[in-house]
Amino acid sequence: QSVLTQPPSVSGAPGQRVTISCTGNSSNIGAAHDVHWYQHLPGTAPKLLIFGNNNRPSGVPDRFSGSKSGTSASLAIAGLQADDEADYYCQSYDNRLSGWVFGGGTKLTVL
Amino acid sequence: QITLKESGPTLVKPTQTLTLTCTFSGFSLSSSGVNVVWIRQPPGKALEWLALIYWNDDKRYNPSLRSRLTITKDTSKNQVVVTMTNMDPVDSGTYYCAHRRGASSWFEFDYWGQGTLVTVSS
Repeated sequence: QSVLTQPPSVSGAPGQRVTISCTGNSSNIGAAHDVHWYQHLPGTAPKLLIFGNNNRPSGVPDRFSGSKSGTSASLAIAGLQADDEADYYCQSYDNRLSGWVFGGGTKLTVL
Repeated sequence: QITLKESGPTLVKPTQTLTLTCTFSGFSLSSSGVNVVWIRQPPGKALEWLALIYWNDDKRYNPSLRSRLTITKDTSKNQVVVTMTNMDPVDSGTYYCAHRRGASSWFEFDYWGQGTLVTVSS
């Protein structure tokens, strides 16, 4: 059971837009802690995709965007490409647990 | 270019102590604010942070695992070592180390190693 809740899977056709939600509570996202997003292909190093709710590291295409509101955050991927197929994780900080917390991950399938 | 790589045993027996080493390059763990964290992922489960060590040798541990963890650094070797005692099959999974550029809680894990798979079995 993850502290942050993500849908187990999402899918979309090439060129489409998908969103992945990340729901927390008042001790993490709702406590104004930033949300970060990671892309992970099994067997490789997870890659930072979005930091500070809506910032892209250098080299991450602007097809990827993040947003946050209240106790939830979202990752949007526009113009889906085949190599976007991966697992996506959200992450924040939790006051009650005194540490960093993750979502359970969402598997993106490009149809 | 920041890189991190985890190393250690792939198989440990129940009750044994696991020792994992994170060897990194491209940054110094003596630079103000920098820290390195260990994170794990059991098969089919969520990522879980384990322990973190700061440039000034301050340490933080996941409260749920605190009694079993020790994290240390060797700045001259660019290494961070974590030990976990009394290993159990539920501790099996992929163990990652990651870099953070700042000390405050809001900083992200901006660079990760590719992980090392640890199986706990007799």
